[in-house]
Amino acid sequence: DAKTTQPNSMESNEEEPVHLPCNHSTISGTDYIHWYRQLPSQGPEYVIHGLTSNVNNRMASLAIAEDRKSSTLILHRATLRDAAVYYCIRRGSYIPTFGRGTSLIVHP
Amino acid sequence: NAGVTQTPKFRVLKTGQSMTLLCAQDMNHEYMYWYRQDPGMGLRLIHYSVGEGTTAKGEVPDGYNVSRLKKQNFLLGLESAAPSQTSVYFCASSPIVYTGELFFGEGSRLTVL
Repeated sequence: DAKTTQPNSMESNEEEPVHLPCNHSTISGTDYIHWYRQLPSQGPEYVIHGLTSNVNNRMASLAIAEDRKSSTLILHRATLRDAAVYYCIRRGSYIPTFGRGTSLIVHP
Repeated sequence: NAGVTQTPKFRVLKTGQSMTLLCAQDMNHEYMYWYRQDPGMGLRLIHYSVGEGTTAKGEVPDGYNVSRLKKQNFLLGLESAAPSQTSVYFCASSPIVYTGELFFGEGSRLTVL
């Protein structure tokens, strides 16, 4: 099963860090972990990806567990514009499979 | 640089009518995908293509047909629309490598009455 497991929703206050977890216990050794987010009424957009090492970019950080069975997307300072649905997917086959993702609510 | 463009963005159909959604990408990507998204749901894959002239079924292919005659275009057809096909449709494309990110269009909102 290529799907991942994420909490349905999470809440945060503005300017606080947010840690969004993802479980991918059946991941294979060559699968990458990708994160996307979907703002209201828009298509999903790429956030970050990684294989084994932690990754940073201008949008977020990705922490991957040593056994690669889970990962965490870190938004260092949440803003109201970060309110979106965040999807964690495995990327290693032709067919990227999306679950329902985590709906992030950011309070002012 | 347009990325992934979907047309039309909105459409209302009557039950039994047919229509085609067009997805065009200008990034020379090999892979293209059609997803549907229903309220409160994630994205479900309808059909996908791994290259020009190829198509394959995804998770929810019934009632849809696709064609990829040109590498840059991926068409999604509804031969006889049903109310259950009311949804938002997203097209995506990606390069061939596992690290390649998916690029999504803005979506096409279809209502079948």
